[in-house]
Amino acid sequence: ENVLTQSPGTLSLSPGERATLSCRASQSVNNNYLAWYQEKFGQAPRLLIYGAHSRATGISERFSGSGSGTDFSLTISRLEPEDSAVYYCQQYGSPQSTFGQGTRVDI
Amino acid sequence: VQLVESGGGFIQPGRSLRLSCKASGFIFGDYALSWVRQAPGKGLEWVGFIRSKTYGGTPEYAASVKGRFIISRDDSGEIAYLQMNSLKTEDTAMYYCARNVLTGYESSHFDYWGQGGLVTVSS
Repeated sequence: ENVLTQSPGTLSLSPGERATLSCRASQSVNNNYLAWYQEKFGQAPRLLIYGAHSRATGISERFSGSGSGTDFSLTISRLEPEDSAVYYCQQYGSPQSTFGQGTRVDI
Repeated sequence: VQLVESGGGFIQPGRSLRLSCKASGFIFGDYALSWVRQAPGKGLEWVGFIRSKTYGGTPEYAASVKGRFIISRDDSGEIAYLQMNSLKTEDTAMYYCARNVLTGYESSHFDYWGQGGLVTVSS
């Protein structure tokens, strides 16, 4: 099983600042098949990034993904209050997919 | 695109329960479908997925549920199922079905999610 470790656990920032979230895999992620999701309370997760750096349809350019192999990042620029949520990474490079434990972002 | 889960509820440990995921708004048979769960106050956990019939219609499971859970599909009814057997208290969670973006044999990220069905396992 490819274990994903996200850091930090919680990020507290102000509007307009930049957030950088990390996701580290225990094994190299095949084809850089790494996605990021945003989850707000009481809602289903929303796909933000797939393939490590490709933005999903309708996602703001303020969200960007980077990385390869075992180290990946999600950057949220010019933070807005609506960005308050929990963010999860997911690897799907193996038949058994896995999620990270999440990073909570408080604005 | 819509995915609607049903069949959740309160169940005793050791019993069985089946969740359904009714799909609409897309060609169901062309897509793989996944199940993801979230225990109260916890993170997301991938449960498994079922491939489209084009790729064998075969399932994959997380180690935590393999041998107890069975994922199946009814393409004519546009429904995916999650049969949960030998339930444990730690299976208590919100269960989401989600549509795979990638078609094929591999796993995938998800573009559409249902609103979830709550399963509570307790004596």
